[in-house]
Amino acid sequence: NAGVTQTPKFQVLKTGQSMTLQCAQDMNHNSMYWYRQDPGMGLRLIYYSASEGTTDKGEVPNGYNVSRLNKREFSLRLESAAPSQTSVYFCASRPWRGGSSYNEQFFGPGTRLTVL
Amino acid sequence: SQQGEEDPQALSIQEGENATMNCSYKTSINNLQWYRQNSGRGLVHLILIRSNEREKHSGRLRVTLDTSKKSSSLLITASRAADTASYFCATDVPYDKVIFGPGTSLSVIP
Repeated sequence: NAGVTQTPKFQVLKTGQSMTLQCAQDMNHNSMYWYRQDPGMGLRLIYYSASEGTTDKGEVPNGYNVSRLNKREFSLRLESAAPSQTSVYFCASRPWRGGSSYNEQFFGPGTRLTVL
Repeated sequence: SQQGEEDPQALSIQEGENATMNCSYKTSINNLQWYRQNSGRGLVHLILIRSNEREKHSGRLRVTLDTSKKSSSLLITASRAADTASYFCATDVPYDKVIFGPGTSLSVIP
């Protein structure tokens, strides 16, 4: 099991460029998440997907779009990158245990993005 | 404003001492989780406590949850230098949304 994988690991963009961050999990988890972490700060939720075919906004969705391509993959797109989007981006997934019962999240290694 | 807030923001202790971190939150939750992050690396899950539980133990970790006060605490006993890291609480709010607090930076001095 590879767990949660993210590509790329590093990326440098110029202001106004677009790119897609890829995330995949091989644990058959229902839920997937995208967070950003700025230096010295906690994680802020950008978007999440409770199941294949559904996506919901988190705390800081502006400037981002997501696609839950299938159960395994959840991508994050920056349509027109801005310096304020310089951050480390983490993807996570977790299984659903039934009802309102969930377990812990499993995190990918992160993508370090710099926007010049 | 964030759902979860940790206190203190930074904590420095000697090896062997106990470390206590607190987390307060604003809305009702399903679960509360604690994670550790070493120096900008990935997050490691430590412990999950459900809203109907009051206390949970895992090795040197003890977590309490008081839903009436909307607060939780993480106690690390007999700390080691390897415990140096940032610690985050994450609240699990309906439906399937997980919100992190800003974290406590723990330094354990050998």
